[in-house]
Amino acid sequence: KQEVTQIPAALSVPEGENLVLNCSFTDSAIYNLQWFRQDPGKGLTSLLLIQSSQREQTSGRLNASLDKSSGRSTLYIAASQPGDSATYLCAVTGAGSYQLTFGKGTKLSVIP
Amino acid sequence: DTAVSQTPKYLVTQMGNDKSIKCEQNLGHDTMYWYKQDSKKFLKIMFSYNNKELIINETVPNRFSPKSPDKAHLNLHINSLELGDSAVYFCASSQWTGGGAGANVLTFGAGSRLTVL
Repeated sequence: KQEVTQIPAALSVPEGENLVLNCSFTDSAIYNLQWFRQDPGKGLTSLLLIQSSQREQTSGRLNASLDKSSGRSTLYIAASQPGDSATYLCAVTGAGSYQLTFGKGTKLSVIP
Repeated sequence: DTAVSQTPKYLVTQMGNDKSIKCEQNLGHDTMYWYKQDSKKFLKIMFSYNNKELIINETVPNRFSPKSPDKAHLNLHINSLELGDSAVYFCASSQWTGGGAGANVLTFGAGSRLTVL
């Protein structure tokens, strides 16, 4: 059974810092991995999707990497801003099942 | 124009009652999902429908019954509500990609917070 773990559970950084969020998964048989952002009272927004054959994806100040063999992914946020404050969730799509398994998320606070 | 809309956003009810949460998507997707996010923030899939047919049905009590009148709608009906049903329920949709490494990008609704007293 796939398990997804995100460390740390919460992170507080001053504005302008670069930061890394970590995600690990137990079963490397995945189709893809996604990073989502969850804002209080709002739905989840898909930020980046990495196919199992890819190593990284970039969107603006966000860069996500995937090391499928070791079951790890990182989300790098450059030059953090207060608007980046949210909970970031990692989710993997299981090979064959097409089901997303989510981590519990990392709550990020960017202090002005 | 909201892509995936859920109603109601908040629902407070007594134990034993029956309630429904509605979901509609205007993205033209053919697959819809219901996820439950509990107090520990775990998001778990409950159901998935592809073209009005049930394709994923996780271990969910029979008191939960999804209904898909058409591929743009997936409603969730809950009978005999219990305290443990208190959670945020998220609806989502995607385009089904079938075999291979599909994109499977989900678009989520804003969530419906259910509180059972």
